[in-house]
Amino acid sequence: QKEVEQNSGPLSVPEGAIASLNCTYSDRGSQSFFWYRQYSGKSPELIMSIYSNGDKEDGRFTAQLNKASQYVSLLIRDSQPSDSATYLCAVRWVTRDGNQFYFGTGTSLTVIP
Amino acid sequence: SAVISQKPSRDICQRGTSLTIQCQVDSQVTMMFWYRQQPGQSLTLIATANQGSEATYESGFVIDKFPISRPNLTFSTLTVSNMSPEDSSIYLCSGKGLAGTSTDTQYFGPGTRLTVL
Repeated sequence: QKEVEQNSGPLSVPEGAIASLNCTYSDRGSQSFFWYRQYSGKSPELIMSIYSNGDKEDGRFTAQLNKASQYVSLLIRDSQPSDSATYLCAVRWVTRDGNQFYFGTGTSLTVIP
Repeated sequence: SAVISQKPSRDICQRGTSLTIQCQVDSQVTMMFWYRQQPGQSLTLIATANQGSEATYESGFVIDKFPISRPNLTFSTLTVSNMSPEDSSIYLCSGKGLAGTSTDTQYFGPGTRLTVL
């Protein structure tokens, strides 16, 4: 199993709908979780981080973490065409070997006007 | 968030030559990293740049091919040596542990787009 897995998509949703992006990860001890957005030709930018089970909301974005099931998701409410981008899930582990930081392959989202 | 700059922003190079990419952060960071992102793919970590000592390389990357320097807490360079067309990619610098931010969060520079002919 890869350390971090995402569906590559593409995921298409109509404008105003909820976009749901999912990510699963390997269990390697203490973890932190991040969602990045990357527009075509641009570098990644941080959207949200989450560290404990449950939901974390920031504007139209909600990150959900379920450590028992080893998944983290990102919900985008009231999706806008400007949300069209690739969304990268990242996980940071703290292990006996040190810190490890892995990115998923990204999910491409298209919001249709 | 911190400002992370890279230069050059892009370059076109001949096979067999070397290119050094510079990364500057506007505040001290605890850790700096170099990534490669090939077209349509996610990020691949090349190495962690350690201040004052040799970088820590990921599997598949070696110092002779990608020498890295980090003379202080705000600056690092990555050299792509003896380039081949397979090295054509976007190279991204990132920093973690910026003052005033979560120590877990990484911020990325704008990237350097390298094309090797």
